[in-house]
Amino acid sequence: QITLKESGPTLVKPTQTLTLTCTFSGFSLSTSGVGVGWIRQPPGKALEWLALIYWDDDKRYSPSLKSRLTITKDTSKNQVVLTMTNMDPVDTATYYCALETVGATDAFDIWGQGTMVTVSS
Amino acid sequence: QSVLTQPPSASGTPGQRVTISCSGSSSNIGSNYVYWYQQLPGTAPKLLIYRNNQRPSGVPDRFSGSKSGTSASLAISGLRSEDEADYYCAAWDDSLSGYWVFGGGTKLTVL
Repeated sequence: QITLKESGPTLVKPTQTLTLTCTFSGFSLSTSGVGVGWIRQPPGKALEWLALIYWDDDKRYSPSLKSRLTITKDTSKNQVVLTMTNMDPVDTATYYCALETVGATDAFDIWGQGTMVTVSS
Repeated sequence: QSVLTQPPSASGTPGQRVTISCSGSSSNIGSNYVYWYQQLPGTAPKLLIYRNNQRPSGVPDRFSGSKSGTSASLAISGLRSEDEADYYCAAWDDSLSGYWVFGGGTKLTVL
């Protein structure tokens, strides 16, 4: 069974750096064709894709947020970490991580439950 | 402002067929597959359609997808109350170094 779970602070102050961890099980990020992505959703608003890291350490970022984002993986711990710098209240959202399978569905097949992050002083 | 354009709302009565559109450009829908996600209230999104018209295991055949040029559609036939949800289209965009783009979402109400 494949599961993903997001963890991190629920509240951050403006200008601070957010660090979120996606811990997964049921697959390996060293397996060809596997990727883990981050997607966020402000309250009552649409999904917004943020970043993606593949098994071969290829990384992709949202062009509008690229300067603020860093995505890394720790294959031995089955974790993917996303950092976002200079947080602002508009970054308040539920942050999801999700599994992408290249060559299978090529889509985000399995999603975590999401973690709500509020940016406020 | 989402890269892919969807109508903000759609509605239908039980048993009806409804369609939701998704409009993009040559760098995303025009040159790549389209995907659809269903998000039930208070839950994480779920993959509904992949590669334009393929259904993952467990998704009823009442759901179907199509694509033409730079637009795509999701059709739901035999509408049921449990289909009331938000629906999002997505596609890979080839511009810059490549990235995923989502639609603004369509809230489907079953009357």
